[in-house]
Amino acid sequence: QQQVKQSPQSLIVQKGGIPIINCAYENTAFDYFPWYQQFPGKGPALLIAIRPDVSEKKEGRFTISFNKSAKQFSLHIMDSQPGDSATYFCAATRATGFQKLVFGTGTRLLVSP
Amino acid sequence: NAGVTQTPKFQVLKTGQSMTLQCAQDMNHNSMYWYRQDPGMGLRLIYYSASEGTTDKGEVPNGYNVSRLNKREFSLRLESAAPSQTSVYFCASSEGAAAFFGQGTRLTVV
Repeated sequence: QQQVKQSPQSLIVQKGGIPIINCAYENTAFDYFPWYQQFPGKGPALLIAIRPDVSEKKEGRFTISFNKSAKQFSLHIMDSQPGDSATYFCAATRATGFQKLVFGTGTRLLVSP
Repeated sequence: NAGVTQTPKFQVLKTGQSMTLQCAQDMNHNSMYWYRQDPGMGLRLIYYSASEGTTDKGEVPNGYNVSRLNKREFSLRLESAAPSQTSVYFCASSEGAAAFFGQGTRLTVV
C-alpha cells in the first residue's frame, strides 16, 4: 500500500529529446505527487508537484502527467539540456495532515550534448 | 536563506565508533526526517519527527537513534558504527506536503 514504483532506473537521451520517467502508486489516500531533482553531491530539491484534481501540470520545460484511474504519473522534460542531467525521484504523500513522503527508487538521467 | 543545514559534510569512522550527525532548519517547520541514500536503493527513511517532542521509526531504524532537541534541530546518532552504515545521510524538514533537504553527510565506516 505504501510503495511507489519508478521506472526506468536510468535513461540516456540526446539534447533536445523528451525523457519520460514513470511512477505508479498503490495507496489511493495519496493526493500530492512531487518530483525531486538531485545533482551529484547535493540534496534532492523539489522540482514540480501535482494534485489529482488535474491531469497535467507544466512548469517551464517540466510537465507532470497524472492518470488517477491507473494510479500513475509521469515526468516529461521538454527540449532536454545537458544541465538536466541528474537523478529524479518521484514521491507520493497526503497534502494535509502529517504523512511521510514515499519515494520511488530514482531515475538517473543523462542528456548527451 | 540557509534552509536545512547538516554537519559534518564528510566523516570517516572506524567500526565500533560512535558519532552524531547534526541537522538544523530555519524555516519553522514542524516535521523533520533522516534518510539514507545508497546506490540503487533510493531514499530510505531512518527516523522522523512529526512535531517537536515526538520521534518515530522509519523503514531502516536499526543501529540509529535520534533526538528532536527543539523545533529547529534533529540529530541522528550512530552508537556503534558498522560498515553497512556507509552511506549518504540526508536530513529534511517539511510543513505540509513539500519537503526540503539538506546537502547531505557522506559517511564512510571502515
